[in-house]
Amino acid sequence: EAGVAQSPRYKIIEKRQSVAFWCNPISGHATLYWYQQILGQGPKLLIQFQNNGVVDDSQLPKDRFSAERLKGVDSTLKIQPAKLEDSAVYLCASSPTRTGYNYGYTFGSGTRLTVV
Amino acid sequence: AQTVTQSQPEMSVQEAETVTLSCTYDTSENNYYLFWYKQPPSRQMILVIRQEAYKQQNATENRFSVNFQKAAKSFSLKISDSQLGDTAMYFCAFGTSGTYKYIFGTGTRLKVLA
Repeated sequence: EAGVAQSPRYKIIEKRQSVAFWCNPISGHATLYWYQQILGQGPKLLIQFQNNGVVDDSQLPKDRFSAERLKGVDSTLKIQPAKLEDSAVYLCASSPTRTGYNYGYTFGSGTRLTVV
Repeated sequence: AQTVTQSQPEMSVQEAETVTLSCTYDTSENNYYLFWYKQPPSRQMILVIRQEAYKQQNATENRFSVNFQKAAKSFSLKISDSQLGDTAMYFCAFGTSGTYKYIFGTGTRLKVLA
């Protein structure tokens, strides 16, 4: 099966600009996750979708970050306006159901964002 | 609060030797799952091994095995016969039905030396 696809692979923007990341999960996977991985830290969950509904966005900085998964398939994560501290790798992952926490997620290769 | 701690930021091992990476966690849950993920320079997180907390038997996957000590809340990863391709960041992660998500440790950078 095809893996989790993410684009772009790299992005460099100036602070206060906006940026969007795209993720296409494995076909049929109902649950999609966006993680932020700051250099030297473990990934932190930003938002979790179950089909096209949000089930957890408690750690998403909603004043500048937004995400959608309109048709329950692919997803877009947006940052507007970006800050220097948003420099990180943004990882997308998917699992067949919400119980993916017990058998493992499939991750994409991430987008490395640098804000200058 | 649920936490995962990896106390070894970096480790190195000679090719063909054995190395153990440490992980401790804290939770009040009884039903949970523990994982080790490998993240090579390609950045994709790859599942290495999984342990169910209600199982006493330690999980094994080829050269990778864990030492799961539930009472001590410890979950270490042993890599036997280390290979150059094992060079990567290794993350310990913890998932429960209470949160439906993973909590990751800060990672251990492992370098296998030729």
